[in-house]
Amino acid sequence: DGGITQSPKYLFRKEGQNVTLSCEQNLNHDAMYWYRQDPGQGLRLIYYSQIVNDFQKGDIAEGYSVSREKKESFPLTVTSAQKNPTAFYLCASSMWETQYFGPGTRLLVL
Amino acid sequence: RKEVEQDPGPFNVPEGATVAFNCTYSNSASQSFFWYRQDCRKEPKLLMSVYSSGNEDGRFTAQLNRASQYISLLIRDSKLSDSATYLCVVNMFSGGYNKLIFGAGTRLAVHP
Repeated sequence: DGGITQSPKYLFRKEGQNVTLSCEQNLNHDAMYWYRQDPGQGLRLIYYSQIVNDFQKGDIAEGYSVSREKKESFPLTVTSAQKNPTAFYLCASSMWETQYFGPGTRLLVL
Repeated sequence: RKEVEQDPGPFNVPEGATVAFNCTYSNSASQSFFWYRQDCRKEPKLLMSVYSSGNEDGRFTAQLNRASQYISLLIRDSKLSDSATYLCVVNMFSGGYNKLIFGAGTRLAVHP
């Protein structure tokens, strides 16, 4: 099946801990994106990548980092510098202008 | 002013009703437009693109008015399964990439 997978579905972070969210796609899309969604708000762009080994900051990149070593994979690390990480994190990919989303990871702070 | 504004709802309607959602956007350079549907605690899924000439997909009709910077979605003959949050999304090609701006969504609840 073609699609985007994210893991884990739920993730718990302790104070001062870095955690990494996985995103994999087998759609052969060039561009990949990470968004954050908070209750009652629209999705906000964290980072995006248009090609392997290249990525750019979005609107709320502080406290996050990414890598794009393979076309299929775009992991997101939530660092200890992100003071309010509790949110629903969505990964997306696109070939042209239409973006398709993975099922999301819900991050909670212990 | 938010870049994409939607009435948050909720819209509570009976089965079979017709319901319309509106959305306004602030940047006149916006190039393409979409409606996504998001079920509770799930990812957004593309419902339909929106074209200047208007487009229809079954019970769903989308309209775009570039002069007024206004987008609408009409759902006819509402089903229980239409209950979800509908996200208005605007695309701008900026800095070499397609930047999607999401509205906060309009909640629809269809009841028997």
